[in-house]
Amino acid sequence: QSVLTQPPSVSAAPGQKVTISCSGSSSNIGNNYVSWYQHLPGTAPKLLIYDNNKRPSGIPDRFSGSKSGTSATLGITGLQTGDEAEYYCGTWDSSLTTVVFGGGTKLTVL
Amino acid sequence: QVQLAESGGGVVQPGGSLRLSCAASGFTFSSYSMHWVRQAPGKGLEWVAVISYDGSNKNYVDSVKGRFTISRDNSKNTLSLQMNSLRPDDTGTFFCARDFAGFFSGTLDFWGRGTLVTVSS
Repeated sequence: QSVLTQPPSVSAAPGQKVTISCSGSSSNIGNNYVSWYQHLPGTAPKLLIYDNNKRPSGIPDRFSGSKSGTSATLGITGLQTGDEAEYYCGTWDSSLTTVVFGGGTKLTVL
Repeated sequence: QVQLAESGGGVVQPGGSLRLSCAASGFTFSSYSMHWVRQAPGKGLEWVAVISYDGSNKNYVDSVKGRFTISRDNSKNTLSLQMNSLRPDDTGTFFCARDFAGFFSGTLDFWGRGTLVTVSS
């Protein structure tokens, strides 16, 4: 049981938009920055979004992040087959004093 | 460019020990906190431990406290994870990752590709 809650899967057609939600509490998302990661099996996870809505260098603006209260959302527009991956939200939990992740959301581009 | 390369994984019997290493390059290792994160087969990412840039502060997930020890050698740009009293549910791929900052920011900006640990008799 993950501290942060994500939907197990989402899907959309190429070129469409999808959003992935991440729900937490005041000890984690509510009072700390949220990050989003993309992970393909056998590869290193990649940071997509940090500080709720900032993109590291090299991450296209098709990826966006937002936060409201104790929830966060990752948005991906102009879906490509190469976007098929597992996506995780993560943040610091001030009560646990640990990093916490969501359970992951598998994105399928139909 | 930032590179992180894990090593030391393998097959170990329950109750056994294993030491993982992570070789860092392409950045000033001694300026960043470092993490270990694992992924059990078919499961999601689980954070394991963090160590501050100078090694003075360490945190662990409850399930490994007293069994795992995170450490670093800034002179060799190396992060380590000593794992004792291993259990079958410790099986998984272990990733090292760099923290965005010197303190515990919770943002992991660069990751290695992982090393597989299998605990089985």
